[in-house]
Amino acid sequence: DIQMTQSPSSLSASVGDRVTITCRASQSISNYLNWYQQKPGKAPKFLIFAATSLQSGVPSRFSGSGSGTDFTLTITSLQPEDFATYYCQHNYRTPLTFGGGTKVEIK
Amino acid sequence: QVTLRESGPALVKPTQTLTLTCTFSGFSVTTSEMSVSWIRQPPGKALEWLARIDWNDDKYYITSLKTRLTISKDTSKNQVVLTMTNMDPVDTATYYCARTFWSGYYNYFDYWGQGTLVTVSS
Repeated sequence: DIQMTQSPSSLSASVGDRVTITCRASQSISNYLNWYQQKPGKAPKFLIFAATSLQSGVPSRFSGSGSGTDFTLTITSLQPEDFATYYCQHNYRTPLTFGGGTKVEIK
Repeated sequence: QVTLRESGPALVKPTQTLTLTCTFSGFSVTTSEMSVSWIRQPPGKALEWLARIDWNDDKYYITSLKTRLTISKDTSKNQVVLTMTNMDPVDTATYYCARTFWSGYYNYFDYWGQGTLVTVSS
């Protein structure tokens, strides 16, 4: 099975900051990589697929990059509503797996 | 408008079988390139994909729980059912169903239910 490792597991940032979250796959997954945002007590929200393609309605301050084994989610100019936990997930083949999550907290 | 809703027991005893139902609207699981997945999240922990059923009735499972899981669909009721046998306290989690949308070879969970918390305790 493909393992997904996210770093850091948590970070503190201020409104307006640029934030970068890293996700690494245990083997090459091309660009079969999705990103989700989850707020406490809520279901995850889908953000990005194919490593770089923004879901309709997701603010353009969110962007994804990478291919192969290394991927990043970047939030430019962090907004108050962006404080949440972010998960990567591969869809290269089943079984599908998620990363361990990165919690973005207010500094 | 796409919606999904999970239903099932909030409390199960160890060794019992859990049956969860996902009732959805706004799409059909008989439509090509449409699937439904189950995902769980233990309290304070990460998401874990469990199973998926596709439009053509193909079924896929997480390796570690494959022997305990069964996913099925009732297209007449717009429902997908997940059963998990031999429940253990470590299976305590919020269980989500999610629509799996396909864009070519890519797939992603674009709509989620609100989740249902299942506690395993005697």
